[in-house]
Formats: sequence, C-alpha cells, structure tokens
Amino acid sequence: AQKVTQAQTEISVVEKEDVTLDCVYETRDTTYYLFWYKQPPSGELVFLIRRNSFDEQNEISGRYSWNFQKSTSSFNFTITASQVVDSAVYFCALRGSNFGNEKLTFGTGTRLTIIP
Amino acid sequence: EAGVTQFPSHSVIEKGQTVTLRCDPISGHDNLYWYRRVMGKEIKFLLHFVKESKQDESGMPNNRFLAERTGGTYSTLKVQPAELEDSGVYFCASSLGQGTNSPLHFGNGTRLTVT
Repeated sequence: AQKVTQAQTEISVVEKEDVTLDCVYETRDTTYYLFWYKQPPSGELVFLIRRNSFDEQNEISGRYSWNFQKSTSSFNFTITASQVVDSAVYFCALRGSNFGNEKLTFGTGTRLTIIP
Repeated sequence: EAGVTQFPSHSVIEKGQTVTLRCDPISGHDNLYWYRRVMGKEIKFLLHFVKESKQDESGMPNNRFLAERTGGTYSTLKVQPAELEDSGVYFCASSLGQGTNSPLHFGNGTRLTVT
C-alpha cells in the first residue's frame, strides 16, 4: 500500500522567513511520481510540481524549491522569503505505476500561515 | 481553456436527504476522478472513470454513494441517504491520459455539510 505522511499539521511563520514543509512517502513501486498541491482559502487545488522517481535533481522555481531524496523517501518543499499570499494548505501526493497504485495518494496536508 | 468545474460549491443538507454533486471535466479529458477530504484528514480517492466506464471504484465508501458519467462527459456523484460522516469537501479531477505522467487538474471542490 502507498502512504504519504505530512507530519506538520500547522506551521506559522513571519513574512519573509523561509519555511520548509516535510513530506515522507512509502511505496513498493519502482516507478512513481510525487506531487505538491496548494489549496488556498478559495478552495481549489493548485498543482505546483510533479517529480518522477528517476529524477533526483532538486528543482527551483522562483521562491519555491523542492528537495527529493530517494534514500530517505522524502520530498520536501521550501518557500523562501515567504509572503502572505503563500498562506494555504499544502498537500504532498504520490502516484505509483503498478496496477491499483495509479491513483493519487495524498498526505493530510500542512496548513501554512504567513503572519504579516 | 475552461478548467474543471464543480457544482454546487457548497451544499448543506439534513441527515437522510439526498444530494447530487456535479463535475464537468476539461473538454477532451477521458479520465475523471472523484476525491474526498473529510475534515482534517487526507484527500482520499473515491473512483476513476475512463470515458463512461468505471475503471476503479475501490475508494467508494459504501452503497449510499453512486457515481455516473453517462456519455463520458460530465459526472454526478449522488449520496443517498446522506449521513453525518459524509460531510467534507468533494473534489473532482480530470486528466487527458491515464499514465502516471498525466497531471490531474482539480476543480474547486464541493463543500458538503450534513447536519
């Protein structure tokens, strides 16, 4: 069975601070994809990034960066110089390749509050 | 291009009543998914359509839930009769392909409250 763990339920930081959201996953699939989604107060789920299991290169997109470490089964997400608009619930998700594992498995989410 | 749309955005019903949620996927997306998030918990898979066929309905909680996708376009998810534990946010998503590389596009969700 697949599992995604986001141990941080809620995080609050002051604006302009950096913050890292943790994600640990479990899967027996050798090929899989990892995702991060953002759910702002308006409710929709916004896709942020997809990373496949063969690509451990870290990625940076503006103030966002992702650290994928296969050895520790982690896919952490860092926001640099946080802004109030970053306040949202962030979900990490896993999608396997074996039959029955193709659906997205989500973590419980981390509620991030940026204090102005 | 219009995104995935869900209707209604909010629904408040009493225990025992029936509610029908609707999802319109992105045009041309054969794959349609329903997910649900119960308060404070993870977003859980309910089922997956490929066109009008149910590919995987392993996440449907019980027979009070009925999903349809007649004609392979929009989908409905009916809860009858609703129970208190059905409260949560119901998300619909669609994708062009079925492989793990096809990103899912989510709608805004329907917040269901059963009182």
